[in-house]
Amino acid sequence: GQNIDQPTEMTATEGAIVQINCTYQTSGFNGLFWYQQHAGEAPTFLSYNVLDGLEEKGRFSSFLSRSKGYSYLLLKELQMKDSASYLCAALDSNYQLIWGAGTKLIIKP
Amino acid sequence: IAGITQAPTSQILAAGRRMTLRCTQDMRHNAMYWYRQDLGLGLRLIHYSNTAGTTGKGEVPDGYSVSRANTDDFPLTLASAVPSQTSVYFCASSDSADSGELFFGEGSRLTVL
Repeated sequence: GQNIDQPTEMTATEGAIVQINCTYQTSGFNGLFWYQQHAGEAPTFLSYNVLDGLEEKGRFSSFLSRSKGYSYLLLKELQMKDSASYLCAALDSNYQLIWGAGTKLIIKP
Repeated sequence: IAGITQAPTSQILAAGRRMTLRCTQDMRHNAMYWYRQDLGLGLRLIHYSNTAGTTGKGEVPDGYSVSRANTDDFPLTLASAVPSQTSVYFCASSDSADSGELFFGEGSRLTVL
């Protein structure tokens, strides 16, 4: 079956760095996506990886290893506004997004 | 402002009643999707439409129906609501069916009693 695993909850300190891991098992693979979802709001697109390696976008970076079925989202210089859930999703061979349950990130001052 | 509009924002509904959740986008996106989001679970796809005039079933289609008469509108209908359909429903769109970059509406919180 198809599956996405990511931690349920993580806690980090304002100004620090946090890495949110995601492992995936899908029928075929056409890309790995990260979305941010603040409580009570809609998910918003953060990043996309289809090739191995690191994609950097400001304070956020996303890494992909296709051979290991593994990705991570790296958030630097954490701010209180980064408190949110982070959703990992993989695009399978039918171009359907398979979603993880999300990682709730709590930022403490 | 371009985007996706959902209505209603929230609704309490008696079991057995019919309900339609509305979704309109003005980005001229070809693909549209309906998801439900429940605590502890990932987004689950209910129905999708790759282009106007076509629809398909997602992971959890039972009890729901959709139509796509034009590019902009993608309503979701619950023919006879049941308490297990209590959830937050998100409509989303993408410029093409093979894109994983989705744009989401603000969600519709539905409670079925």
